[in-house]
Amino acid sequence: AQSVSQHNHHVILSEAASLELGCNYSYGGTVNLFWYVQYPGQHLQLLLKYFSGDPLVKGIKGFEAEFIKSKFSFNLRKPSVQWSDTAEYFCAGGGSSNTGKLIFGQGTTLQVKP
Amino acid sequence: GAGVSQSPSNKVTEKGKDVELRCDPISGHTALYWYRQSLGQGLEFLIYFQGNSAPDKSGLPSDRFSAERTGGSVSTLTIQRTQQEDSAVYLCASSLGASGAQISYEQYFGPGTRLTVT
Repeated sequence: AQSVSQHNHHVILSEAASLELGCNYSYGGTVNLFWYVQYPGQHLQLLLKYFSGDPLVKGIKGFEAEFIKSKFSFNLRKPSVQWSDTAEYFCAGGGSSNTGKLIFGQGTTLQVKP
Repeated sequence: GAGVSQSPSNKVTEKGKDVELRCDPISGHTALYWYRQSLGQGLEFLIYFQGNSAPDKSGLPSDRFSAERTGGSVSTLTIQRTQQEDSAVYLCASSLGASGAQISYEQYFGPGTRLTVT
């Protein structure tokens, strides 16, 4: 069965620390991968996406993610986090069917201490 | 332009009652999705509409759940005889649709409806 898993459920960092959130997927064929963010009280927003081409993708607010096919991974990174990055982060995968429906990971809550 | 809107934002209902949740997708988006987000869990796919095609209902958890999309735009998710385990945030998303272009898979989410079954 297709699945997306996120290793870290709750991460606490101080401002300026570097961030890496893990995401692994387990399905073959066409792979479309996404990271969404949900700030407190707001709806889900797309951070970045990977469809094909350069495996290092850059998104909004200084986030980037690297698609490593051999590891079935799509980890999210940011060199220096800010207090405003406090949010819940979801990795999602799709594309193995032609419906566009997404399979989401369980989410990672990031708390950045000022 | 306007994003995806959902109503109501909050709904409290008694066990056994039926509820209807509404979603207005972004104008021009042919694909519409419903997801459910339960406390402490990720998002669970429920149902997908693409244009006039038959919907993909593979994620609906039971036959108490149904959804329709009228005129290719507004969608209503109906839960009959609600149970406490139905309590969750129900999210709607829309995208340009499966037109073959990669960008069509980018989904835009609404604010959700928080359903509480007492």
